[in-house]
Amino acid sequence: DVKVTQSSRYLVKRTGEKVFLECVQDMDHENMFWYRQDPGLGLRLIYFSYDVKMKEKGDIPEGYSVSREKKERFSLILESASTNQTSMYLCASDGGSYGYTFGSGTRLTVV
Amino acid sequence: GQSLEQPSEVTAVEGAIVQINCTYQTSGFYGLSWYQQHDGGAPTFLSYNGLDGLEETGRFSSFLSRSDSYGYLLLQELQMKDSASYFCAVAHSGNTPLVFGKGTRLSVIA
Repeated sequence: DVKVTQSSRYLVKRTGEKVFLECVQDMDHENMFWYRQDPGLGLRLIYFSYDVKMKEKGDIPEGYSVSREKKERFSLILESASTNQTSMYLCASDGGSYGYTFGSGTRLTVV
Repeated sequence: GQSLEQPSEVTAVEGAIVQINCTYQTSGFYGLSWYQQHDGGAPTFLSYNGLDGLEETGRFSSFLSRSDSYGYLLLQELQMKDSASYFCAVAHSGNTPLVFGKGTRLSVIA
């Protein structure tokens, strides 16, 4: 089974901090995604990548950046954390079948 | 623009059948996926419909009508463990990320 691992399950950060969320997949998938999930809003796409060193903005990229230096790793960066970035962050991997495999998520609280 | 509409909440009795509908308006359409998410868990893939018709996987089935921009997830012989949120998601083309609906919270009661 494809495994997508997110480095932290829970994080608490202070306003203005730079935050790194790490995601690693073990099935050699080309496609990786970062979504955030908020109550009543579903999953919203932040950034995605279809290849190493490639990145594309999703629907809500403001305040975020990403890095994909290796195929298996896709990092989400909050340049200067703000309270409105308190959310559940979900990383996903896909081999091209639209059957995404999600990580367990990182619940980030910005105080 | 793009939008997906699904009911926010559905309640059904254990052992019964429930249908969760999804209508979509998108600039392009490639296929419809369904995901299940238990409280505190990650979304897990259930099914994908690229063509019109019914896809069956055990107790779960998914249907697509491209002409009606409509699909549904059918859950049969409901069990308490089916209580979860269910998301429909649309692919605009063969190489674009999924766009998710806001989810339907299913509660299965005894």
